[in-house]
Amino acid sequence: GQSLEQPSEVTAVEGAIVQINCTYQTSGFYGLSWYQQHDGGAPTFLSYNGLDGLEETGRFSSFLSRSDSYGYLLLQELQMKDSASYFCAGKNAGNMLTFGGGTRLMVKP
Amino acid sequence: DGGITQSPKYLFRKEGQNVTLSCEQNLNHDAMYWYRQDPGQGLRLIYYSQIVNDFQKGDIAEGYSVSREKKESFPLTVTSAQKNPTAFYLCASSASGLGDEQYFGPGTRLTVT
Repeated sequence: GQSLEQPSEVTAVEGAIVQINCTYQTSGFYGLSWYQQHDGGAPTFLSYNGLDGLEETGRFSSFLSRSDSYGYLLLQELQMKDSASYFCAGKNAGNMLTFGGGTRLMVKP
Repeated sequence: DGGITQSPKYLFRKEGQNVTLSCEQNLNHDAMYWYRQDPGQGLRLIYYSQIVNDFQKGDIAEGYSVSREKKESFPLTVTSAQKNPTAFYLCASSASGLGDEQYFGPGTRLTVT
């Protein structure tokens, strides 16, 4: 099985850069996904890393290092609307996702 | 518009009753999933289906049942055997079971008293 660890809470100011880390212990790990969830809402897909390295999508970037069993989500030019919970999720050989506990990001003015 | 619908948004039941949560998608996705989310926690997989008429247990399947008679529909029944059914239930789908991107419905918040 898989287990993924991420910080429970992160606070940053508007316009800043924040990095949310995710470490995993897993067998049969195929890749790492990131999802955003606003309070009371549904998770929405942000990115997927199937290979080591950096993936960039607008203000958001995601990184994976298989040798370190580690990944992160980088959010740049933070906006108030980025206040949400962010989940890393490991994909296994059966194409299933195992989610981390989530990181609650609070963006302050 | 393509997407996933779940109904109802809020559901209240008495202990001891079975309840069925609806999930429908018109994305033509082969794979569908049910997750449970408790306050302040991540999502845990209950059941998943890669193809019609086939489904597998996830990490927390006890007390739940599903069916997949149509590609578009994947209803979840929360039975009276589920010890702690009050939670936020999320349905998702993905193309060809690749799991690279799962599309989520708006969720059903179930309260059992």
